[in-house]
Amino acid sequence: SQQGEEDPQALSIQEGENATMNCSYKTSINNLQWYRQNSGRGLVHLILIRSNEREKHSGRLRVTLDTSKKSSSLLITASRAADTASYFCATDLGTYKYIFGTGTRLKVLA
Amino acid sequence: NAGVMQNPRHLVRRRGQEARLRCSPMKGHSHVYWYRQLPEEGLKFMVYLQKENIIDESGMPKERFSAEFPKEGPSILRIQQVVRGDSAAYFCASSWDPNSGNTIYFGEGSWLTVV
Repeated sequence: SQQGEEDPQALSIQEGENATMNCSYKTSINNLQWYRQNSGRGLVHLILIRSNEREKHSGRLRVTLDTSKKSSSLLITASRAADTASYFCATDLGTYKYIFGTGTRLKVLA
Repeated sequence: NAGVMQNPRHLVRRRGQEARLRCSPMKGHSHVYWYRQLPEEGLKFMVYLQKENIIDESGMPKERFSAEFPKEGPSILRIQQVVRGDSAAYFCASSWDPNSGNTIYFGEGSWLTVV
């Protein structure tokens, strides 16, 4: 399996609910980044969290990082239909090269 | 303050033709990455370049694919003699200094279809 695996692969929730996605990785990292991708579009950067940080917030987004478990989670609170997208984590392997997982496809139902 | 600019956005090529994808990094960024995304999959690293240098091309197929980032002008990803399996979205990203943990920013992608 590859560095940076997200789960679940797909998630369907009602508008207003919270969505939680997880990312696991195998080797030590300097940083972990979360991205959103709408269908047919590029990746939009959401949050970068460094290995010495445990939690970061940005608006309705909350990212946690547990380096002992080699895992990260992305929480979207009070979800909206516009949050429907694929979400990817990317880990840097301690170098410049970011490795992406296969993503979580989130569907928010209005 | 333009972001990462890629062109063309969509490209159709017949088998055996050449595809050239261009990427202009964000202003001030001298580090460029190319990734490929197959349908329903994540992004796969292809190559990392700085101005006039290929730093890491470990993700590039050994044949038919090449990349450059000249002193002047955009970065180019070139695919010669395309085959159907080359059909994918190709994303370019740039950063200021990856070794400082800077964010990498992506373009909107170039969607190649080989018919």
